[in-house]
Amino acid sequence: AQSVTQLGSHVSVSEGALVLLRCNYSSSVPPYLFWYVQYPNQGLQLLLKYTTGATLVKGINGFEAEFKKSETSFHLTKPSAHMSDAAEYFCAVSSNSGYSTLTFGKGTMLLVSP
Amino acid sequence: NAGVTQTPKFRVLKTGQSMTLLCAQDMNHEYMYWYRQDPGMGLRLIHYSVGEGTTAKGEVPDGYNVSRLKKQNFLLGLESAAPSQTSVYFCASSYTGSSEAFFGQGTRLTVV
Repeated sequence: AQSVTQLGSHVSVSEGALVLLRCNYSSSVPPYLFWYVQYPNQGLQLLLKYTTGATLVKGINGFEAEFKKSETSFHLTKPSAHMSDAAEYFCAVSSNSGYSTLTFGKGTMLLVSP
Repeated sequence: NAGVTQTPKFRVLKTGQSMTLLCAQDMNHEYMYWYRQDPGMGLRLIHYSVGEGTTAKGEVPDGYNVSRLKKQNFLLGLESAAPSQTSVYFCASSYTGSSEAFFGQGTRLTVV
């Protein structure tokens, strides 16, 4: 069984400030972890993913995330927020075990103010 | 480069009516999925398929049926629509269950 918890349904930052979106997972097997972004009235697109290897993963648009097994976390960060980063962000977990599927968190809406 | 295409994009149904949502992918993916997205609930898996001719239940399968007669298509059916099925439906596909999923643009369904 696997699950994802995203802390905070809404996060507000000022333009230029650090973005930190929190994700904790639960998985009985080694996890594969993903962050997706959804802009208004659009589908989801992949920001970054962790499968194996380096625990610090870099993605598109300056985002990165670090897999911390001891904390069962995969938090998403960006050093400096831009107005165009305003969107909903979803953390998801799957695994390389059997017919695994993606399980999503409930999402965090990122609001960026000037 | 079409990727994943969903039709229709919008639909309004009356309670008790039936409809089929079509998903088509041109990436030769084995896995295909149907999710529903509701405010504050994230994306919940309705049904999925791990290859042509296969289907499996996800987290919230009741009231829905699916078929995967061709590898590139995955159909989601509502036999008797209910207001609780008002939602945004997303189709997705991937090479495997652990690889990146590619999403369609969504279908906004309202049941009145």
